[in-house]
Amino acid sequence: AQTVTQSQPEMSVQEAETVTLSCTYDTSESDYYLFWYKQPPSRQMILVIRQEAYKQQNATENRFSVNFQKAAKSFSLKISDSQLGDAAMYFCAYRSTHGMRFGAGTRLTVKP
Amino acid sequence: GAGVSQTPSNKVTEKGKYVELRCDPISGHTALYWYRQSLGQGPEFLIYFQGTGAADDSGLPNDRFFAVRPEGSVSTLKIQRTERGDSAVYLCASGMGSQETQYFGPGTRLLVL
Repeated sequence: AQTVTQSQPEMSVQEAETVTLSCTYDTSESDYYLFWYKQPPSRQMILVIRQEAYKQQNATENRFSVNFQKAAKSFSLKISDSQLGDAAMYFCAYRSTHGMRFGAGTRLTVKP
Repeated sequence: GAGVSQTPSNKVTEKGKYVELRCDPISGHTALYWYRQSLGQGPEFLIYFQGTGAADDSGLPNDRFFAVRPEGSVSTLKIQRTERGDSAVYLCASGMGSQETQYFGPGTRLLVL
């Protein structure tokens, strides 16, 4: 069974600074997808970034980028130039054939 | 275009009652997923539909939970004899296929008193 671990329940960053959220996962599969979702208080899950395991190049979406280390089964999210609107719960997710498995989440606070 | 919608947004019921939660996926999306999110936790997979059929219902916790998608679009999650432990946010997501990105609805918050 696949598991996803987010070891940081809470993180804080100063506005305009950079923060990295950690995620590790466990799987025996070689081909899979990884995601970071953001969940603000409105509880709508919003896709932040997606990474295909077969791609060596790290995915980037504007201020969001990942550090994907397949051998180490690590998938961290870096947020650059943090903005107040980035404050939310962030969930790392692994996509298997049984739907997505999510980590427990990291609550990100952005200080003005 | 419209995103995934879920109704009602909030539902309060009494222990032992029956509830139905509805999900309207993005038009054209063949895959539909139900998740349950308890307070302070990540979403937990319940069931996956591909078209009209349940491709995987391994996440349903027990036989009080059932879901249908009769025409391959709208889906209803049904919970019989609700228990207080069923209180959670129920999330629906849809996608073009099992390998594609899932887009989530706003969820239904269920409170069982």
